[in-house]
Amino acid sequence: DGGITQSPKYLFRKEGQNVTLSCEQNLNHDAMYWYRQDPGQGLRLIYYSQIVNDFQKGDIAEGYSVSREKKESFPLTVTSAQKNPTAFYLCASSIFPGRSYNEQFFGPGTRLTVL
Amino acid sequence: DQQVKQNSPSLSVQEGRISILNCDYTNSMFDYFLWYKKYPAEGPTFLISISSIKDKNEDGRFTVFLNKSAKHLSLHIVPSQPGDSAVYFCAAGTQGGSEKLVFGKGTKLTVNP
Repeated sequence: DGGITQSPKYLFRKEGQNVTLSCEQNLNHDAMYWYRQDPGQGLRLIYYSQIVNDFQKGDIAEGYSVSREKKESFPLTVTSAQKNPTAFYLCASSIFPGRSYNEQFFGPGTRLTVL
Repeated sequence: DQQVKQNSPSLSVQEGRISILNCDYTNSMFDYFLWYKKYPAEGPTFLISISSIKDKNEDGRFTVFLNKSAKHLSLHIVPSQPGDSAVYFCAAGTQGGSEKLVFGKGTKLTVNP
């Protein structure tokens, strides 16, 4: 059945290391998004992509990088430049934007902990 | 500057009663609004949405009301059930725009048996 998968569910990283979070969707959605959630905070947009091979910075892109080589995949790399990487990371997708509003569908999330 | 505000971090109600979750926004360009429900360590799930051409949308126990002049929306859950206990996020966007959604910080609803 269709949906969004994120792996792994829990991820531990040593300070100073880069780490890549996976996000795959089989919903045939054009747009994909990465959010970060911290305790007591809403969802903050890191990066988003409307189409393959194109992506835009969100509100908190510093210390992160993404790629969109395939429609189904939108991996997020948390680099050592990210000062506070410990957080819950959520990937989402939606049907091609701009036609009309469409809700975003979310994956189960990845909890990243920096040791 | 928060464009979408949920001023109540938490709300507690008795089972069977009505839950009312509030959301305010500042950007008059927003013209559609969504509510998401989130359990701990899971992704948010879409609940209900409303376009600015309407002032009410209903889906089962969930009703969203929009007051454009006040830039305010609310989610009513009636009757509330213990399984409704979760964090509820309000989100706003622009139709045909950049497709970004702006989320509030969420309200944690606890429904007591």
